[in-house]
Amino acid sequence: SQTIHQWPATLVQPVGSPLSLECTVEGTSNPNLYWYRQAAGRGLQLLFYSVGIGQISSEVPQNLSASRPQDRQFILSSKKLLLSDSGFYLCAWARPPTSGSSYEQYFGPGTRLTVT
Amino acid sequence: AQSVTQLDSHVSVSEGTPVLLRCNYSSSYSPSLFWYVQHPNKGLQLLLKYTSAATLVKGINGFEAEFKKSETSFHLTKPSAHMSDAAEYFCVVRSNTGNQFYFGTGTSLTVIP
Repeated sequence: SQTIHQWPATLVQPVGSPLSLECTVEGTSNPNLYWYRQAAGRGLQLLFYSVGIGQISSEVPQNLSASRPQDRQFILSSKKLLLSDSGFYLCAWARPPTSGSSYEQYFGPGTRLTVT
Repeated sequence: AQSVTQLDSHVSVSEGTPVLLRCNYSSSYSPSLFWYVQHPNKGLQLLLKYTSAATLVKGINGFEAEFKKSETSFHLTKPSAHMSDAAEYFCVVRSNTGNQFYFGTGTSLTVIP
């Protein structure tokens, strides 16, 4: 079966510090990978998605970046955090549309980031 | 372009009474639609999905949804609410390319004992 991991679960960082959040998927290959942010009491905002190694699509211009160094690894980074970067960060994966099977998204447990 | 609209930001029901969470979609093709549930500080869990098969879709925890093309709706229902159903619910449509998913703004369900 497939599983998705995110770490850390919680993080408190000062303004201006760097950020690195990691997401890994097990039990599948060539997944589409996604990073979302959820502000308090709000819906999900798509930040980045990737259809393959080194292929990143950015949905919202901001001080965040994403990388996919391996097939099942997706990393969200920032060089300098802003207060507005606080939120709940969710990683998700889905089978690519060419797989021929239904491809709902599967979500990780999330990372709660507080920027102080 | 694809989108979904969740018609209620908050729904409150008494325990044991029916639940109705409303979702309308916009799509230029036959859509794939999903409902997810999110409990506080947790990831999203798939409740059910519609992918052009039966229009009445049964999901986990007693939830079901009916795809109505004429009404462009995909409402989520449950005959009898439990306290454990209190959570945030999201309606989602997949893009025609299949690589993106478009989320509604969410409906917060409160269950009153």
